[in-house]
Amino acid sequence: DAKTTQPPSMDCAEGRAANLPCNHSTISGNEYVYWYRQIHSQGPQYIIHGLKNNETNEMASLIITEDRKSSTLILPHATLRDTAVYYCIVRVPLGGNQGGKLIFGQGTELSVKP
Amino acid sequence: NAGVTQTPKFQVLKTGQSMTLQCAQDMNHEYMSWYRQDPGMGLRLIHYSVGAGITDQGEVPNGYNVSRSTTEDFPLRLLSAAPSQTSVYFCASSYGVGSYNSPLHFGNGTRLTVT
Repeated sequence: DAKTTQPPSMDCAEGRAANLPCNHSTISGNEYVYWYRQIHSQGPQYIIHGLKNNETNEMASLIITEDRKSSTLILPHATLRDTAVYYCIVRVPLGGNQGGKLIFGQGTELSVKP
Repeated sequence: NAGVTQTPKFQVLKTGQSMTLQCAQDMNHEYMSWYRQDPGMGLRLIHYSVGAGITDQGEVPNGYNVSRSTTEDFPLRLLSAAPSQTSVYFCASSYGVGSYNSPLHFGNGTRLTVT
């Protein structure tokens, strides 16, 4: 699975959009981009995923560049409860000897400030 | 569904003791994995399994053993605990082979201290 690079920390004002970038320049054609977040010391929580097209759900939007080498997670109206560490990972569908070794990296620590 | 259940929530061991961290899921997920997280650090993969009877090493497998005799359970064994294994351990699972919609579901963690 391809590796990802994220900034270690970001700040965002409450009520504003939080845009979290992720670089995955070695991504291959069948790898999906997944985003998770971890609040305090809880287990990480799934947010959203995508392959090529932009995706939106009730939590966030995911924008993937046309060349798929980077993506941005958008929290449209950040609240204090969105303060967390956000992880971007890439994953192939499981099959044969692929897709099992999911490496999370350090993530981005997002601080939402009043 | 209970999701991913980890037991115990907290554990204190002395150096050299052995123990098993339990992980069970009731979602019929083929894929299961163990991560450890040290203070201020990200998640590091210890071992994973793509199905019953199949396991493989992650980034930091030394000092840990796993087995997968059933789809539901994926225990992590520490044969001789060391202070360096003090950490928070997370178990995760997802749908498996061929699935294109397979986010990981995480347990709430086991906080282990080795003195």
